[in-house]
Amino acid sequence: DAGITQSPRHKVTETGTPVTLRCHQTENHRYMYWYRQDPGHGLRLIHYSYGVKDTDKGEVSDGYSVSRSKTEDFLLTLESATSSQTSVYFCAIRDRTSGGYYEQYFGPGTRLTVT
Amino acid sequence: DQQVKQNSPSLSVQEGRISILNCDYTNSMFDYFLWYKKYPAEGPTFLISISSIKDKNEDGRFTVFLNKSAKHLSLHIVPSQPGDSAVYFCAASRGTGNQFYFGTGTSLTVIP
Repeated sequence: DAGITQSPRHKVTETGTPVTLRCHQTENHRYMYWYRQDPGHGLRLIHYSYGVKDTDKGEVSDGYSVSRSKTEDFLLTLESATSSQTSVYFCAIRDRTSGGYYEQYFGPGTRLTVT
Repeated sequence: DQQVKQNSPSLSVQEGRISILNCDYTNSMFDYFLWYKKYPAEGPTFLISISSIKDKNEDGRFTVFLNKSAKHLSLHIVPSQPGDSAVYFCAASRGTGNQFYFGTGTSLTVIP
């Protein structure tokens, strides 16, 4: 258990409304990630953060923004939600192995429906 | 451009038999490979990994094989159990490990 929680776990919102998803971790990991999971696409990276106020884009970043003002919290914002953003969103952290490689550990997910 | 591919969306296996899940990658710079298991309504959980300096890694019923020349890895589950029914994702990373690249997943069903 990597101590990752996500809130809310489920949300239904209307097209055009702003939405913010929260990821919280308790183990002081430097790297945090946001993915979306869709049928036929697997897990696709939206944005990631490598420290407070340090973020970078992933492969599907259009329509999303992120913020990280504290080590433990990584926020994903949909400024104006669209139906194509209906998905399951996962937060992850990166942890170093004893062999010097890195592995990711995931939160429980947020199911977002945009109507 | 999908750098990690899982070409079988689904697989059904009888309980007690071997399950073999396959994964191909295109980027020769990848040096660490991971398998994740995902149950419905839960986040993916780390299962097993292998670095590019090895060709096999075992953990109980799970073994991952890496063929670098073919850019191919496979996950073997022996014996398969009904509780193994889940979606399995293959992932790869390189060097500093800032980003991880995931396949599209294979849904495994183990039939009792």
